Amino acid sequence: DAKTTQPTSMDCAEGRAANLPCNHSTISGNEYVYWYRQIHSQGPQYIIHGLKNNETNEMASLIITEDRKSSTLILPHATLRDTAVYYCIDRGMDAGNMLTFGGGTRLMVKP
Amino acid sequence: DTGVSQDPRHKITKRGQNVTFRCDPISEHNRLYWYRQTLGQGPEFLTYFQNEAQLEKSRLLSDRFSAERPKGSFSTLEIQRTEQGDSAMYLCASSFTDEQFFGPGTRLTVL
Repeated sequence: DAKTTQPTSMDCAEGRAANLPCNHSTISGNEYVYWYRQIHSQGPQYIIHGLKNNETNEMASLIITEDRKSSTLILPHATLRDTAVYYCIDRGMDAGNMLTFGGGTRLMVKP
Repeated sequence: DTGVSQDPRHKITKRGQNVTFRCDPISEHNRLYWYRQTLGQGPEFLTYFQNEAQLEKSRLLSDRFSAERPKGSFSTLEIQRTEQGDSAMYLCASSFTDEQFFGPGTRLTVL
């Protein structure tokens, strides 16, 4: 079962920042926080992952609290193409570990 | 397009028939995963290969399901004696490091 909790849905205005929260209060010291998203009718797409430091790439920023019990994915300038289901996942450090998806957050970016 | 391909994209079958799906991962990826996704839910892990060895299987993978990766390249997932409850999207993913790349999925409908 998924060990993370996320809001079921969120709206965001086009061009504004989308901030997607995730609680992972039972995360262990050897688990990363991963974010994937799934656009309608496509397979999931990797966005970003982190251990305890904040991370940024060309898609998004990941802010992890100091106690690692929660994190926020930030899409700095949301576009209509960012409308998708966003999944936050705790995953062990072994690269062979599977991903355990929860229900995710359905983000709707509106014009 | 992530470079992971799946065939067929859609399959409609009658209850009791056998079906087989194929996944072609990114060529240098040694890890391959199968997931199943039902409507409105996140993907659920089914099984994992490292090269040709099947290292992990979910309890979701009943004895009607079998997966192979004979030469450590492409993989097949077979479902025997299909049931209506098998209707789902079957997703394949491959990886070499931490990031899993997903294919577009095969949507199975069992009538």
